[in-house]
Amino acid sequence: DIQMTQSPSFLSASVGDRVTINCKASQNINKYLNWYQQKLGEAPKRLIYNTNNLQTGIPSRFSGSGSGTDYTLTISSLQPEDFATYFCLQHNSLYTFGAGTKLELK
Amino acid sequence: EVQLVETGGGLVQPGKSLKLTCATSGFTFSNAWMHWVRQSPEKQLEWVAQIKAKSNNYATYYAESVKGRFTISRDDSKSSVYLQMNSLKEEDTAIYYCTRFNYYFDYWGQGVMVTVSS
Repeated sequence: DIQMTQSPSFLSASVGDRVTINCKASQNINKYLNWYQQKLGEAPKRLIYNTNNLQTGIPSRFSGSGSGTDYTLTISSLQPEDFATYFCLQHNSLYTFGAGTKLELK
Repeated sequence: EVQLVETGGGLVQPGKSLKLTCATSGFTFSNAWMHWVRQSPEKQLEWVAQIKAKSNNYATYYAESVKGRFTISRDDSKSSVYLQMNSLKEEDTAIYYCTRFNYYFDYWGQGVMVTVSS
């Protein structure tokens, strides 16, 4: 099974900050890496698929990058609605989620 | 409008069984690869099971943690997917989501709570 190590677990930031969240796979996942945002009481919402493809309707301040085993989600300028929990998901071999990053207002 | 509605959750004792149903509408269900994903009380997401479409012979796949205990199935005539959960354990306590995979998990239900406790 592929393991996903997501970091950091918690991130404290201010509106306007640039933040990055990382996911490291236990083996090459060939860019089959998605990012989701989840707010309290809601199902996860898709942001990015296959490393760097922005889902329709997602603001361009969100971007993804990476290859091999290392992947990054970047939010270029945090907005108030971005404070949430973020998860990565690999779908190269079955499906594995990262443990999540809770993004909090500093 | 796409809708996925899960039902069948509740409180159940360890070792017992429960069957979840996900009724869908608003998309061509028969072509869809459907999944169950769960989220523990600690908020960890875990993929549980997948069932592919008829064109893929309804192939099924399971997480190791549920293999041999859970069974995913579907009824294309009812646009519904099911999760039969047997020999439930306390660690199966979670919100269970039904979701469709199309390059990513795009549509999700609202989730249904399953609590396994004596």
